[in-house]
This record gives sequence, C-alpha cells and structure tokens, in this order.
Amino acid sequence: GDKVKQSPSALSLQEGTNSALRCNFSIAATTVQWFLQNPRGSLMNLFYLVPGTKENGRLKSAFDSKESYSTLHIRDAQLEDSGTYFCAAEPGGSAKLIFGEGTKLTVSS
Amino acid sequence: VTLLEQNPRWRLVPRGQAVNLRCILKNSQYPWMSWYQQDLQKQLQWLFTLRSPGDKEVKSLPGADYLATRVTDTELRLQVANMSQGRTLYCTCSAVGGRDERLFFGHGTKLSVL
Repeated sequence: GDKVKQSPSALSLQEGTNSALRCNFSIAATTVQWFLQNPRGSLMNLFYLVPGTKENGRLKSAFDSKESYSTLHIRDAQLEDSGTYFCAAEPGGSAKLIFGEGTKLTVSS
Repeated sequence: VTLLEQNPRWRLVPRGQAVNLRCILKNSQYPWMSWYQQDLQKQLQWLFTLRSPGDKEVKSLPGADYLATRVTDTELRLQVANMSQGRTLYCTCSAVGGRDERLFFGHGTKLSVL
C-alpha cells in the first residue's frame, strides 16, 4: 500500500485564505521534508523536519513521529503559492526519500 | 544559488535508443548525490544514491532501465535505456549524517519517447 499518503490531492484557495495539507505515513519516518514544484517543474525545499514544528514566513509545518503524520499550513495564500506540494519521509540515515503523490494547489484572485 | 547543473534539459529519445544524462555538483557541502524519477503521473521515486567516485549501480523499473555512475566528487551520470514511457529525471544532493539533511533538486531532464 501507499507508504506516504498525502491529502487532499487537489485544493483551490482564494487569495488571502488559509489552509492545511497533510501527510500520513505507514513507515517509521525519522525525518520529513516538504517541497513545492512550480509549473515549470523546479522543486524547491520548503522544510526539513525532525519531530516538532518549524515556521517560515506564511508557512508552518509540523511532524509528529509517534502519530506518523506531518502537516503544512499556508497562511494568507498568494498567487505565487500555486504549484504541487510534496511531502517526503526518510526512514533513516540515507538520502533516500519516499514521496507522497502530491497536493496540487491553485490560488486565485 | 544553483547547487546542481543538469544537462540536457530535454531530450527526445527514439524507442530503443539509450540516452546519457549528466549532473554537476556546485557545492561540496552536499556530496551525497542521487537520481530520482518523476513519471507522467507526477509520482517521484528514488532511484540511486552514489557517494564515492567509481560507485556504479543498475536498476530496472517499469518503462526504463538505468545505469548510474559517480564519476568524480562533482559529477554524476545516468544512462537511461529501453525507455517506453516519458519521464523526468532529477539529480539531487544532500549532506547525510549532518544536522542539515535537506534534499536539493536540479532542474531536471525531461525525456520523451519518439
């Protein structure tokens, strides 16, 4: 089955609104990373997380290793936030990440 | 700042032909280099991680066969053969074992089947 399950698969937001993306893990993840892929295909690292939370501007992410999930909160969504968000889990001690299927976010004015 | 340089950016591959991809690391702080593929459904999948010059690995996945080689401390190569479905190959780098193990992606090489 799916080792990293992302939800929702697609999301539409109005500018200025807030939302949250979620990843559930069926593997023992030691760290989690979140990425944003823009329409041109470039992948940008948003967060690297050990269990706990991090915040960067309008983005906030949390990783709970005991409950096996991670969340990405987007506050005051902007047009440039549009793209596909991927979470990825690392089982431990390697550069091998297991990716979710992505959440396609569309922000409109 | 660009950490990885991939080429080519795009290639049309005649069915049955192999293609060679190249990735150059620009920052030695992230020496663990890997290849990931993204299929037409946008699913990202790890292929290889090669740390040392001389390391080689092969793998067959649905739709393509792969041979990866770490040529030098800064160069990683990937040969893609027997490709039947288009895909994008991404080179990545990271610093495994340190406090910061973020994964960084190159711009990718998009392969289409002719």
